[in-house]
Amino acid sequence: AQSVSQHNHHVILSEAASLELGCNYSYGGTVNLFWYVQYPGQHLQLLLKYFSGDPLVKGIKGFEAEFIKSKFSFNLRKPSVQWSDTAEYFCAVNPPPSGGSYIPTFGRGTSLIVHP
Amino acid sequence: SQTIHQWPATLVQPVGSPLSLECTVEGTSNPNLYWYRQAAGRGLQLLFYSVGIGQISSEVPQNLSASRPQDRQFILSSKKLLLSDSGFYLCAWSETDSPLHFGNGTRLTVT
Repeated sequence: AQSVSQHNHHVILSEAASLELGCNYSYGGTVNLFWYVQYPGQHLQLLLKYFSGDPLVKGIKGFEAEFIKSKFSFNLRKPSVQWSDTAEYFCAVNPPPSGGSYIPTFGRGTSLIVHP
Repeated sequence: SQTIHQWPATLVQPVGSPLSLECTVEGTSNPNLYWYRQAAGRGLQLLFYSVGIGQISSEVPQNLSASRPQDRQFILSSKKLLLSDSGFYLCAWSETDSPLHFGNGTRLTVT
């Protein structure tokens, strides 16, 4: 079945450590890729997106992600995390439209805890 | 600017009772609308999506149904709730393949 896989379900880091969260998808063809973040007690919001062009995309709060087409991956990175980055992170894919509809599919999410 | 409203924020219902969760979007026309259920450690499960009034697609067979009586209104319903329907329900909208915009969610507890 087509899917989105996030390999790290729980990540615990100290402040200033580097972060990389993995995301792989299994859809063929052209896809649009997203990372969403859910801070404690808040709604899901977009962190960054990739539609086309430069495969290295930058998002809010110093996050970036790299699209590697040959690896079907869209990993999220941040060089130095802060306590305020504690949140749940979701990778999502818009696969090629089915019947004209885009059906966003999400990974299971990664819970990130950053210790001060 | 566009906004999405989802209510109620929390709901406690007995088993066998009906359910109605409502979601409305403002500031856009003919949005794609979605209902997701979020479970800890299992990400977001797409329940229903709609590309227009009266057009509902179901992704997962279950005890729930959805309706879109107006362009920017999306309703999640059940005739008889089960214990397994407990969870966190999210409404979202998008324009074609653009990013999703989420509501604040409804925490449903079936007792």
